[in-house]
Amino acid sequence: QVQLQESGPGLVKPSQTLSLTCTVSGGSISSGSYYWSWIRQPAGKGLEWIGRIYTSGSTNYNPSLKSRVTISVDTSKNQFSLKLSSVTAADTAVYYCAREDSSSWYSLDYWGQGTLVTVSS
Amino acid sequence: DIQMTQSPSSLSASVGDRVTITCRASQSISSYLNWYQQKPGKAPKLLIYAASSLQSGVPSRFSGSGSGTDFTLTISSLQPEDFATYYCQQSYSTLSGTFGQGTRLEIK
Repeated sequence: QVQLQESGPGLVKPSQTLSLTCTVSGGSISSGSYYWSWIRQPAGKGLEWIGRIYTSGSTNYNPSLKSRVTISVDTSKNQFSLKLSSVTAADTAVYYCAREDSSSWYSLDYWGQGTLVTVSS
Repeated sequence: DIQMTQSPSSLSASVGDRVTITCRASQSISSYLNWYQQKPGKAPKLLIYAASSLQSGVPSRFSGSGSGTDFTLTISSLQPEDFATYYCQQSYSTLSGTFGQGTRLEIK
């Protein structure tokens, strides 16, 4: 059973860079036709797709966040990471990592439990 | 960008009711449409992929239909555990995996 777990600081100061890591267990991040994604959800609001990475290193980002987002992968640690620069209070949200399965029409079939990141001084 | 519009935004229903939620895409997305269920404080859970394929382990009272721009999620007989928020998501565009704004299903 694949499991994903987000980790990283729960509090980030405005203008700084938010950094999160997702650790994948129960399977190799390099196996299969999977993309590895980040999604966020401000309190009481809907889901916003941030971006994805393939194990080749190929990435896709939400155009509205593209200038500030970097997603990377470390196959040796079975992890992928998110960096979001120049954060503001509007970036306060629960951040989820998830697996996207190309064999099931790129649906997000496994999710982490989510981690709350607050942007505040 | 492809925009996804769900309706209604909220819905009140009773146990045993048949419920339908709709999702409309701003352009054709073929059958690249997924449905998720989210309960408070929890991560979303995949229910339906490819518009009508039931994810493993999901009860058969959930079904999906549609193609192109118009899609529906139907719960044939609501159970107490089905009260949650439901999101559609298009996975047609590799530029972004846009979600609908969500439909909150509440107990009447």
